[in-house]
Amino acid sequence: DQQVKQNSPSLSVQEGRISILNCDYTNSMFDYFLWYKKYPAEGPTFLISISSIKDKNEDGRFTVFLNKSAKHLSLHIVPSQPGDSAVYFCAAGRGTGTASKLTFGTGTRLQVTL
Amino acid sequence: NAGVTQTPKFRILKIGQSMTLQCAQDMNHNYMYWYRQDPGMGLKLIYYSVGAGITDKGEVPNGYNVSRSTTEDFPLRLELAAPSQTSVYFCASRADRGLSYNSPLHFGNGTRLTVT
Repeated sequence: DQQVKQNSPSLSVQEGRISILNCDYTNSMFDYFLWYKKYPAEGPTFLISISSIKDKNEDGRFTVFLNKSAKHLSLHIVPSQPGDSAVYFCAAGRGTGTASKLTFGTGTRLQVTL
Repeated sequence: NAGVTQTPKFRILKIGQSMTLQCAQDMNHNYMYWYRQDPGMGLKLIYYSVGAGITDKGEVPNGYNVSRSTTEDFPLRLELAAPSQTSVYFCASRADRGLSYNSPLHFGNGTRLTVT
């Protein structure tokens, strides 16, 4: 039962253009979402998060949009840079004051080309 | 600041052998987690701990054991290695302050384990 889905295994974008990575979830109990970025041979690193009470969160070139009615979130990277080439994982969690166990998607490999 | 340190980086085990994956963090985080990542899959939670002496099962705990005797260390034990345990293992920690989305996980660089 894949509660968090990233249906695009890979994405290729030209440098300077917008990258849009998508994530769908099925569990309406999730109340916060995060994006992690992973380079080869390294652990995932936190990128940006959003609470379910918001529909947008922005941090520099990265913006996450949340559409609760559609159970969909997306990560926008503008402008895309070669250093953004990595695997991006969407993750979802529920509750505060709990162990904050996250459910991860399967990842989208982003390649930013020159 | 080392963050989360995992050892070893790589290991090959024979079926039936046992080993311990080490994880240490120097951020004084109470919450620690073990995840595994299989090819083309997301990270699956194996075990987690909310503090020294307290551990609990995650989504895929079978075949593994953990202990948490100190805040810093959270070793993962494989008792009888099986080919299905071939995976990349990530240890993570987080501070237990505030809202969860404002206190994200910090991951180690992983241990790549092959069981043949």
